[in-house]
Amino acid sequence: ETGVTQSPTHLIKTRGQQVTLRCSSQSGHNTVSWYQQALGQGPQFIFQYYREEENGRGNFPPRFSGLQFPNYSSELNVNALELDDSALYLCASSLGSQGGEKLFFGSGTQLSVL
Amino acid sequence: GNSVTQMEGPVTLSEEAFLTINCTYTATGYPSLFWYVQYPGEGLQLLLKATKADDKGSNKGFEATYRKETTSFHLEKGSVQVSDSAVYFCALINAGNNRKLIWGLGTSLAVNP
Repeated sequence: ETGVTQSPTHLIKTRGQQVTLRCSSQSGHNTVSWYQQALGQGPQFIFQYYREEENGRGNFPPRFSGLQFPNYSSELNVNALELDDSALYLCASSLGSQGGEKLFFGSGTQLSVL
Repeated sequence: GNSVTQMEGPVTLSEEAFLTINCTYTATGYPSLFWYVQYPGEGLQLLLKATKADDKGSNKGFEATYRKETTSFHLEKGSVQVSDSAVYFCALINAGNNRKLIWGLGTSLAVNP
């Protein structure tokens, strides 16, 4: 148990819809990173939030957006869903923005876009 | 740019067999290297790490040595168990890429009794 919880665990949407995924970080952690893991691939960095501000972004279009709340929980929003957005979305929390060994991952949200 | 290349899976072994999963990297400067493991239905967990050349990371019987001359970080275990069945990811982090993890594609390991 890492203390990082994600909801929902599974989600089915159709093309064009919007989705919000949620992440509660480990107690005491102020940084949340989001990753997309397509089937058979390694995780791809989407973005990171540090103390409620975006602190780095990967190669994802603007329809991927996020929020971090004062309690350091976070949301990932994806608008205008496409079939290729089907993937496991992972949230990882850490203390500070250094990443690496100090990341604690949740179990992920499996998103299927039909 | 920075990248990580892992041997393709799936890898299927019998219990107590020797395991090697190859990982090579491309990076500027001196990255830190990691192996993460993803058990079925669970999130990613750090397995081991090494932060400088010739360091050996070890955990749960797994080992990997940071080889700068061959830009490699191969994962090894002398005697695998059924409970080691999982997907293993090699990753690096580098000050040059804003300290964000760069991942390999993962190698699936199945250990049969």
